[in-house]
Amino acid sequence: GDSVTQMEGPVTLSEEAFLTINCTYTATGYPSLFWYVQYPGEGLQLLLKATKADDKGSNKGFEATYRKETTSFHLEKGSVQVSDSAVYFCALSDTRGGNKLTFGTGTQLKVEL
Amino acid sequence: EADIYQTPRYLVIGTGKKITLECSQTMGHDKMYWYQQDPGMELHLIHYSYGVNSTEKGDLSSESTVSRIRTEHFPLTLESARPSHTSQYLCASTPLGTGGEETQYFGPGTRLLVL
Repeated sequence: GDSVTQMEGPVTLSEEAFLTINCTYTATGYPSLFWYVQYPGEGLQLLLKATKADDKGSNKGFEATYRKETTSFHLEKGSVQVSDSAVYFCALSDTRGGNKLTFGTGTQLKVEL
Repeated sequence: EADIYQTPRYLVIGTGKKITLECSQTMGHDKMYWYQQDPGMELHLIHYSYGVNSTEKGDLSSESTVSRIRTEHFPLTLESARPSHTSQYLCASTPLGTGGEETQYFGPGTRLLVL
């Protein structure tokens, strides 16, 4: 079945550091890929998405490129801020249709001054 | 900003009580979902619905039940709460589509503690 593997946290960075959170997936079809973010005490919200190979999703300085050859969708940001501290989830859509999402286990990011 | 609401936000209740977690959305979305989120953050789909009178069980077995009588409303019920039900419950919705590209919009969650 479909699955998502993302790097374990917590990841602790200094403000203005470069961020990479790795995400790889296994799917039998051609899923859409998503990054969701969860701030403390809140639900998840979409950060960015890509729907086909080589697409780049971007939002709020974050980027991720859909790499079919390496089955990856790594999240990057060039300069993190304290306000980026949150839990980040990689997810893929159900390749059988139906809009069900398969989530990774989440990566907690802490950004310190 | 997504218009999806969950009540209560926090609930502390004793073992054996019946509880209903409410979820409503004003976006007219056909598809709705319930997730259980572990303290370790992992999300598990427990129920979903593709429209009125449609409900399905998700990937994680749950003792809870759901109903979908109105498009905008997708309540989750536990007939007899137990400490093992302590968790955060997240509701989500998405518009009807077949491409798998549609974003899921999440509510703020309900934190349930069963004593």
